[in-house]
Amino acid sequence: NAGVTQTPKFQVLKTGQSMTLQCAQDMNHNSMYWYRQDPGMGLRLIYYSASEGTTDKGEVPNGYNVSRLNKREFSLRLESAAPSQTSVYFCASSDAGYSNQPQHFGDGTRLSIL
Amino acid sequence: DAKTTQPTSMDCAEGRAANLPCNHSTISGNEYVYWYRQIHSQGPQYIIHGLKNNETNEMASLIITEDRKSSTLILPHATLRDTAVYYCIAPGGADGLTFGKGTHLIIQP
Repeated sequence: NAGVTQTPKFQVLKTGQSMTLQCAQDMNHNSMYWYRQDPGMGLRLIYYSASEGTTDKGEVPNGYNVSRLNKREFSLRLESAAPSQTSVYFCASSDAGYSNQPQHFGDGTRLSIL
Repeated sequence: DAKTTQPTSMDCAEGRAANLPCNHSTISGNEYVYWYRQIHSQGPQYIIHGLKNNETNEMASLIITEDRKSSTLILPHATLRDTAVYYCIAPGGADGLTFGKGTHLIIQP
């Protein structure tokens, strides 16, 4: 059982380049999330999707867009990367329709922007 | 999310029980308490959660006080692989988790 799979694991970009981080879950969860984690800090929510076809902003959405492609997949796009977006990005999923269900996280994408 | 307060760091000897406290005095009646841990920049790993009653699973036990204002995560026989940052979270809804700085637990050999 793979759980939450993120690709790529590592990426280096130049300022102004664009890229899409991919996330897929095989647990049939309704809700999916994107977080970022900067050195020495806790995770911060970028965007989330409570169910297929819906997306909402989290704490730090500026500079990002998301797409809930289907129930399994939730992608995060950087249209014009900036050095301030250098971070580790985590995707998570849960059956949040049931309020006591935990989130399950992927292993992260380590993104460096030069 | 209810605000949670945890010690910044703790030490525990290998093989002993590690008891990690969390204060959540503003928690509302229907908010669960969740514990996650993060081992050296890996993705956070879910440990356990509870509402009122004490809970136990294969990883840990969770003790919640009767007034629900605090809880303790217990790792019964800590190993070196339990060295991690432990997060206590009380989310109010389905719009994501608020991670504070957590407790850095160091297991000493």
